[in-house]
Amino acid sequence: AQSVTQLDSQVPVFEEAPVELRCNYSSSVSVYLFWYVQYPNQGLQLLLKYLSGSTLVKGINGFEAEFNKSQTSFHLRKPSVHISDTAEYFCAANTGGFKTIFGAGTRLFVKA
Amino acid sequence: DGGITQSPKYLFRKEGQNVTLSCEQNLNHDAMYWYRQDPGQGLRLIYYSQIVNDFQKGDIAEGYSVSREKKESFPLTVTSAQKNPTAFYLCASRPGQGRSPLHFGNGTRLTVT
Repeated sequence: AQSVTQLDSQVPVFEEAPVELRCNYSSSVSVYLFWYVQYPNQGLQLLLKYLSGSTLVKGINGFEAEFNKSQTSFHLRKPSVHISDTAEYFCAANTGGFKTIFGAGTRLFVKA
Repeated sequence: DGGITQSPKYLFRKEGQNVTLSCEQNLNHDAMYWYRQDPGQGLRLIYYSQIVNDFQKGDIAEGYSVSREKKESFPLTVTSAQKNPTAFYLCASRPGQGRSPLHFGNGTRLTVT
């Protein structure tokens, strides 16, 4: 069965430091991968997506992610975080049907 | 601007009452979804609809019901049979299947006491 695992429930980091949020997926078929961000009491917004092609995907707000098929990973990175990046981040996967599977989320805390 | 509107933002109900959450989209998307969000559990799929007058159960459909009479509307009813209804409910839509990302509303926080 398809599943998405976010390896860290919380990630504290200082402002202007780099950050990596880890995501692993399990799927026996081709998969589409997404990262979403959620600010408090709001819905989810798309950060970036991997559909095919280049394994390095760039998104909004300076985030990027790398698709690694051999390690079944899709880690999210940002070279320098801001206070405003404090939010919850969700990794999600879809194998081409109507159902998208979400990870449990990673809370990013950016400290001054 | 196109988007998804969920109302109300906050909803309070007494145990034993049914309650309906509204979701309207003007994105002309065929597929619509309801998710439930609880702390530390990510998003769990309640129901989804691929087309008007058709819907399927998701992973946690027990105690919930939906209808899809119009393309733009997908209301969710939380019935008294739902054992633990207090949660944050998110509605989403997208044009078709897997390649398209989901577009989300801003959610409804339901508290049942």
